[in-house]
Amino acid sequence: GEDVEQSLFLSVREGDSSVINCTYTDSSSTYLYWYKQEPGAGLQLLTYIFSNMDMKQDQRLTVLLNKKDKHLSLRIADTQTGDSAIYFCAAPAGDTGRRALTFGSGTRLQVQP
Amino acid sequence: DTEVTQTPKHLVMGMTNKKSLKCEQHMGHRAMYWYKQKAKKPPELMFVYSYEKLSINESVPSRFSPECPNSSLLNLHLHALQPEDSALYLCASSQGSRDYEQYFGPGTRLTVT
Repeated sequence: GEDVEQSLFLSVREGDSSVINCTYTDSSSTYLYWYKQEPGAGLQLLTYIFSNMDMKQDQRLTVLLNKKDKHLSLRIADTQTGDSAIYFCAAPAGDTGRRALTFGSGTRLQVQP
Repeated sequence: DTEVTQTPKHLVMGMTNKKSLKCEQHMGHRAMYWYKQKAKKPPELMFVYSYEKLSINESVPSRFSPECPNSSLLNLHLHALQPEDSALYLCASSQGSRDYEQYFGPGTRLTVT
């Protein structure tokens, strides 16, 4: 099955860029996802990238995909205090019939004013 | 309407109680999911319903009983839970053709005493 790993913590100053990294193991993953979870809340789908793309930009968010290294990153430009949250990388669980996602452990982003 | 709603937001129950969690979506999605999330951990898949039929049960104990009365509603019936079942229970839904793009509700925070 799929295995997804992330670093646990990132601290940045307001206005700086944040880069959250993720590695995955299943090269057949068709889509890769980024979710945001604020304290006490559910998960919010932030963005996703299809496996035939190298980059996707959506306003302040840039997703980079390196298929050779199975590495995914999420860059947040001009990080704001409201961006403080846990960010989960997610990939299909490896069996397309299962319709399930495997989540990374989550990266806690702390934005300091 | 791009919202998944869950009730109640918080639930405290004793080990001998019977309670139910409810989830509703009006996006026309044909797949619905229950996840369990412990503190500082990623969500773990419990059940998947596809077109109102149970398609995945991730070896969840029988004290958790899912039900999908129609394509918009998903219930999780709880009976004889253990304190270690205390967690955030998240509901999600997805379209049939974009199964991995899941939309989450805010969750029910369950405490078993």
